[in-house]
Amino acid sequence: DIQMTQSPSTLSASVGDRVTITCRASQSISVWLAWYQQNPGKAPNLLIYDASSLESGVPSRFSGSGSGTEFTLTISSLQPADFATYYCQQYSTSRWTFGQGTKVEIK
Amino acid sequence: EVQLVESGGGLVQSGGSLRLSCAASGFIFSRHWMHWIRQAPGKGLEWVSRTTSDGSSTSYADSVKGRFTISRDNVKNTLYLQMNSLRAEDTAVYFCARGRRMGAPSPFDSWGQGTLVVVSS
Repeated sequence: DIQMTQSPSTLSASVGDRVTITCRASQSISVWLAWYQQNPGKAPNLLIYDASSLESGVPSRFSGSGSGTEFTLTISSLQPADFATYYCQQYSTSRWTFGQGTKVEIK
Repeated sequence: EVQLVESGGGLVQSGGSLRLSCAASGFIFSRHWMHWIRQAPGKGLEWVSRTTSDGSSTSYADSVKGRFTISRDNVKNTLYLQMNSLRAEDTAVYFCARGRRMGAPSPFDSWGQGTLVVVSS
């Protein structure tokens, strides 16, 4: 299976900060990468798909980039609702895998 | 509005069985691949299983292969997960989710609220 590694595992930031989360795949996955946001006790919510496409209804402060094995999720100006855990996910094969998650905490 | 509602979770002894259901509404269920994903307490997300839109092809994570069976009823608009030979490490919230694209590997654009399965040893 393709392994997905996120960094950092935890990130402390303030409202208004620009935040970047990195996801690396153990082999090339082209652009077949998604990002999800999860709040405690809730289901994940799709933010970005195909590495850089913004899901409908998701604020434009979220953006994604990358291809091959290196990807980033950027939040341009962190808002209170953005303090959550973020997961990357590859879907280049019929065995989907997630990164271990990045928790964005209030500094 | 797309809705996915899981049910069937609960407390079961190690070695026991449980069947989860996921009732879908608000979209053409028969056109989408569907998935089960789980999350152990305090842990990350783990993809469990997938079925194609007509149920003719399925795939499983190695951790559940041979013990879990995914199926669907496109008349009842319901997804199932039959879980046998349950182990303590299967304790998790189980989510069903819809594949975003029809007929190809894709991300999950709609999720249920999850149902908790606790396996006691």
